[in-house]
Amino acid sequence: KAGVTQTPRYLIKTRGQQVTLSCSPISGHRSVSWYQQTPGQGLQFLFEYFSETQRNKGNFPGRFSGRQFSNSRSEMNVSTLELGDSALYLCASSPEGGSRGYTFGSGTRLTVV
Amino acid sequence: GENVEQHPSTLSVQEGDSAVIKCTYSDSASNYFPWYKQELGKGPQLIIDIRSNVGEKKDQRIAVTLNKTAKHFSLHITETQPEDSAVYFCAASPNTGTASKLTFGTGTRLQVTL
Repeated sequence: KAGVTQTPRYLIKTRGQQVTLSCSPISGHRSVSWYQQTPGQGLQFLFEYFSETQRNKGNFPGRFSGRQFSNSRSEMNVSTLELGDSALYLCASSPEGGSRGYTFGSGTRLTVV
Repeated sequence: GENVEQHPSTLSVQEGDSAVIKCTYSDSASNYFPWYKQELGKGPQLIIDIRSNVGEKKDQRIAVTLNKTAKHFSLHITETQPEDSAVYFCAASPNTGTASKLTFGTGTRLQVTL
């Protein structure tokens, strides 16, 4: 069975631009969560989507947003990019929501220059 | 909110020895404690988890113990092998309906030497 697929794997953007990252969960999984991983702050929760609704949100500014489609695929968007947004963005899916049974994708490495 | 501390940050052991990684958490509402292994260029992979109604869980060479009173939990890897070399993260989460996020520790880089 296919795992969690994140695209693209690598991305380079300029400060001030916006970016959209994509996540396709494991087939049948209805929940998608996003995490940011940086050397300084570690793994931090961004948000969770379940059945197209945002169910939980972390402590990130409004420049970070996301959505989920009816097929459970999710996108996250970061507007007005800052250098500090450079990170590995990880998506995790789970069957019924919640943090149990997470399967993570390999992430999208975003570099802001 | 929840705060998870993890020690040590780096750990070097010889092949065949045991490795122990310790974590403490602050929120008494946390009741789910997974451990993840992250290899270079990959996302974290769940290797074992424990729930608050259980004190210990074992899966082959990996075991996790939980002390709810002291708010700490530990990962034990026995008979370490070179392929165990990776970064390990502990995490904690409450399971109160929609409060589903994981709070992660800062990670332990395990190096298994020959």
